[in-house]
Amino acid sequence: NAGVTQTPKFQVLKTGQSMTLQCAQDMNHNSMYWYRQDPGMGLRLIYYSASEGTTDKGEVPNGYNVSRLNKREFSLRLESAAPSQTSVYFCASKLQGTDTQYFGPGTRLTVL
Amino acid sequence: GDSVTQMEGPVTLSEEAFLTINCTYTATGYPSLFWYVQYPGEGLQLLLKATKADDKGSNKGFEATYRKETTSFHLEKGSVQVSDSAVYFCALSDQIGGTSYGKLTFGQGTILTVHP
Repeated sequence: NAGVTQTPKFQVLKTGQSMTLQCAQDMNHNSMYWYRQDPGMGLRLIYYSASEGTTDKGEVPNGYNVSRLNKREFSLRLESAAPSQTSVYFCASKLQGTDTQYFGPGTRLTVL
Repeated sequence: GDSVTQMEGPVTLSEEAFLTINCTYTATGYPSLFWYVQYPGEGLQLLLKATKADDKGSNKGFEATYRKETTSFHLEKGSVQVSDSAVYFCALSDQIGGTSYGKLTFGQGTILTVHP
C-alpha cells in the first residue's frame, strides 16, 4: 500500500497562474481532506470531502476549489495563484467511523 | 469555534531529559484529542490519541491524558532521544451532536530538538 500520495512535491508559480494539486489514497477511505501548513499557524483545513460525491468548505477555502473525482482521488485547484497561497499543502484521508487521519507527504508551493 | 493552543517553542533538550509540551483546547461537544508528529521533510503521523475524558493515550514512550476539567492534553515523555526531534502538533476532532466529520483543528506546532 502506498497510503496517501501527492503530486507534485514542489511547485513554483507566478501570480495569476493556475494549477491543480493531486491526491490519491489506496486505503479505501471514505473521507478526504486538504490542509495548508504555514509557519506558526499549524495546519488549517481548506476543504474536505466526507464521502464520494460531497465536498464542503473548511476554515480557509477562499481562492481554492476541489474535486472528488472518485473514491480514491481528491484534487485541489488554484485558479489564480496569489503570493498568500505560498504554503505546504497536505492531503489526508480516513475511514468513515474512525477518527485517525492519514497524511500524504505534502506539496511545497511557492507563488512569486 | 474550536481552537487549540500549544506552548510556544522551540524546545531544546539534552538526550534523556524529561519532556512536557502543553496543550489546551476550546471546543463544543466532546471532541477526540490527538498528538501528531512531523519528522523533517515528511507528512504528519498520528502519535497518540484519546477519545474521552480521563483516557490516556500512549505510544513510543509518549503519553497524554485527556483532562476535561482543565481542557488540557499535555504530551509527556520521561526520557527523550535524538530521534524524537520533530514538530509536534496537538489537535482535536469536531464532534457536534454525536456526529463527527473528522475535521481536525490543530495547534501551531512545537519544534523539539534533542541534542546528544
